[in-house]
Amino acid sequence: GENVEQHPSTLSVQEGDSAVIKCTYSDSASNYFPWYKQELGKRPQLIIDIRSNVGEKKDQRIAVTLNKTAKHFSLHITETQPEDSAVYFCAATGRRALTFGSGTRLQVQP
Amino acid sequence: NAGVMQNPRHLVRRRGQEARLRCSPMKGHSHVYWYRQLPEEGLKFMVYLQKENIIDESGMPKERFSAEFPKEGPSILRIQQVVRGDSAAYFCASSPQGGNEKLFFGSGTQLSVL
Repeated sequence: GENVEQHPSTLSVQEGDSAVIKCTYSDSASNYFPWYKQELGKRPQLIIDIRSNVGEKKDQRIAVTLNKTAKHFSLHITETQPEDSAVYFCAATGRRALTFGSGTRLQVQP
Repeated sequence: NAGVMQNPRHLVRRRGQEARLRCSPMKGHSHVYWYRQLPEEGLKFMVYLQKENIIDESGMPKERFSAEFPKEGPSILRIQQVVRGDSAAYFCASSPQGGNEKLFFGSGTQLSVL
């Protein structure tokens, strides 16, 4: 089945700095890669996604890049703000359901 | 436009009791997915259902766990004879079509087994 590895597990940055979270996947047939943000005690919420026919996608301060050859994709958050503090999960399409990474706890220090 | 609705939000059971978790997908969504999340861990896939059909239950434990999504009413995740290790947050997600894309999550049910 699909295996998704996510790094780092924790990330602390100063407000205004950039944050980068990286994921690798195993199934070369995967073609959809979403990112979810989960605040403490809340539901995971989709923040951005990318399909395999695109190499990069940007939405304001958030961008995602995909390297299909290397089977890795990354989330980039620029000009981080304290409200960006949360756990971020990457995911990739598996055989029948999304497979999630283990999560990255991002802490933005004011 | 109500999102994915899960109830109860919190459920406390004693060892050996049964737990029933409910999930109503978003309007117009006919695909439901259940995930389990242990503290400080990621989301682990359990089961994928369409109306009256189990599509993929490869993530479900072989014993004590079952799921259904009847023609009418919510999807139900049922855990029989709960044990302490079943304590977790159980999230339901729905999507408008298959292909496991654009999942919308409910608020989850926090199950605590005493």
